[in-house]
Amino acid sequence: NAGVMQNPRHLVRRRGQEARLRCSPMKGHSHVYWYRQLPEEGLKFMVYLQKENIIDESGMPKERFSAEFPKEGPSILRIQQVVRGDSAAYFCASSPSGETQYFGPGTRLLVL
Amino acid sequence: QKEVEQDPGPLSVPEGAIVSLNCTYSNSAFQYFMWYRQYSRKGPELLMYTYSSGNKEDGRFTAQVDKSSKYISLFIRDSQPSDSATYLCAMSAYSSGSARQLTFGSGTQLTVLP
Repeated sequence: NAGVMQNPRHLVRRRGQEARLRCSPMKGHSHVYWYRQLPEEGLKFMVYLQKENIIDESGMPKERFSAEFPKEGPSILRIQQVVRGDSAAYFCASSPSGETQYFGPGTRLLVL
Repeated sequence: QKEVEQDPGPLSVPEGAIVSLNCTYSNSAFQYFMWYRQYSRKGPELLMYTYSSGNKEDGRFTAQVDKSSKYISLFIRDSQPSDSATYLCAMSAYSSGSARQLTFGSGTQLTVLP
């Protein structure tokens, strides 16, 4: 059973560009979470989704950030007009029931 | 004050030592407690999961939760160089349905010397 998959693993963007991060949950998992890990900081919750629904986005910045988990395909975290402060590792986790969360390898975003 | 406090270390021990890692928290609503291991530039790997107070053992790892003191611990027996990583505590509160966002400590960096 493949684990949580994230791509790309590394992403370089210039200020003002858009970043799209993808997450495919483990087979049979319908709960997807996104977390951000800033340099020298811990993991911070961003958003929780189920298929076609955003359940909790209390950790998402109010502007430029959006997330979706369509009926078909991976979950997408989208960052518009990136700034240098968006440089971080973004991790996706999936869960079968919401209790235990299994993390992917992360996408490391660098904004130049 | 952070909701979850964790000593960042770094912690360095000789091979075979018993390692004790700890977190304190302030939110009394937390009921689910986890420990993750994160190797450099990798994703967190779930090590232990416990609900409410008590102990849980899995091989060389023992997790303890003391809700009265708002204190959780992870013990690693017979530590190995391969245990060298950053250890993250995480916890969540009960919520209706199944949505439980995790609140993480900042991580403790552990090095086990051969």
